[in-house]
Amino acid sequence: DIQMTQSPSSMSASLGDTVTINCLASQDIGNYLSWYQQKPGKSPKLMIYGATNLEDGVPSRFSGSRSGSDYSLTINSLGYDDEGIYHCHQYYEYPNTFGAGTKLELK
Amino acid sequence: QVQLKESGPGLVKPSETLSLTCTVSGFSLTSYHVSWVRQPPGKGLEWMGVIWGDGSTAYNSALKSRLSISRDTSKSQVFLKMSSLKTEDTATYYCARDADPGVMDAWGQGASVTVSS
Repeated sequence: DIQMTQSPSSMSASLGDTVTINCLASQDIGNYLSWYQQKPGKSPKLMIYGATNLEDGVPSRFSGSRSGSDYSLTINSLGYDDEGIYHCHQYYEYPNTFGAGTKLELK
Repeated sequence: QVQLKESGPGLVKPSETLSLTCTVSGFSLTSYHVSWVRQPPGKGLEWMGVIWGDGSTAYNSALKSRLSISRDTSKSQVFLKMSSLKTEDTATYYCARDADPGVMDAWGQGASVTVSS
């Protein structure tokens, strides 16, 4: 199975900051990478798919990028509504696999 | 609008079989895939399996021997059955519309399942 190593596991940032969350794939997955945001007690919400494509309705403050097998989610102008857990997800092959998640808190 | 809703028992005994139903609206099961994903308390997400628009299925090999996904298109329902439950199967179980494929663009609210005697 493809391993997705996500970092950091948790982070704290201030209002207005820019933060980056990373995922490293254990093998080539092309652009078959998505990012989900999950708030406490809620189901995950698709934010980015195809490594760089913004899902409809997601603020443009969110962006995704890729460098080789390294994938990043960047959030600009951090707001309180951005708190939650972010999961990366590879869908290059079955079984799909997820990163362990990054918990983002605002100071 | 697109909606998915999981339903099933909240408590199941070890060694028994879990049966969950995902009832969808706003899209056709013959046009979209539906995946099942679970999340143990305080832990990450685990992809369980998918039923494609043509009715074929794919499963996580770690669960394959215990897992079955099926559907009734006339009722817009997808079913998950998992046998020989263990306490480690305690989790919130989600169904999700799987758009293209693997891009899960709509999720149900989740069904919390506890495996305990």
